[in-house]
Amino acid sequence: RKEVEQDPGPFNVPEGATVAFNCTYSNSASQSFFWYRQDCRKEPKLLMSVYSSGNEDGRFTAQLNRASQYISLLIRDSKLSDSATYLCAVSLYNQGGKLIFGQGTELSVKP
Amino acid sequence: GAVVSQHPSWVICKSGTSVKIECRSLDFQATTMFWYRQFPKQSLMLMATSNEGSKATYEQGVEKDKFLINHASLTLSTLTVTSAHPEDSSFYICSAQRTGNSPLHFGNGTRLTVT
Repeated sequence: RKEVEQDPGPFNVPEGATVAFNCTYSNSASQSFFWYRQDCRKEPKLLMSVYSSGNEDGRFTAQLNRASQYISLLIRDSKLSDSATYLCAVSLYNQGGKLIFGQGTELSVKP
Repeated sequence: GAVVSQHPSWVICKSGTSVKIECRSLDFQATTMFWYRQFPKQSLMLMATSNEGSKATYEQGVEKDKFLINHASLTLSTLTVTSAHPEDSSFYICSAQRTGNSPLHFGNGTRLTVT
């Protein structure tokens, strides 16, 4: 079983739609959680960290469920520019820089 | 924001040759740098953790004699792919961190194609 799993998609949605991605992790010692965005042939860019209480940044909302060991990302009012691959990443306690990435979920927002 | 630069951005080499990739933190001193590899449609896989002045720590399954990592200064780590083969063709990305709890900053990546 992979340490971090995501549905690879692709998710094809119309502009303005709300889309949600889930990511499960297997190691209960996972301490920090992140969502990254990766455009084709580019490096990943941090979208947001995920906090226990959940957090929101504009149209993006991230949530963490430690009991079920998953994190989620909700994108509201999708824009064409949101088309990318969304990677979740976790790190273990005291290994903050050592990220374990999921496969990524591909999102394609259509006009 | 902090900038991490990788060089080259892309490289094509012949099978059997060695390729060196540089990762530089341009405006901060990075005590730790990480090297990842990403095959098409797959996740970033951590290859090794590089600490300045000490030997790199390699992940299981990564050949340390094939992927030589040198972290000679607080601003530079290098990854050398020795005797490259077509199956080594991949996207190599580094990330750098000032301290253990600092944010990670990724380089722009190096696309290696071995013919």
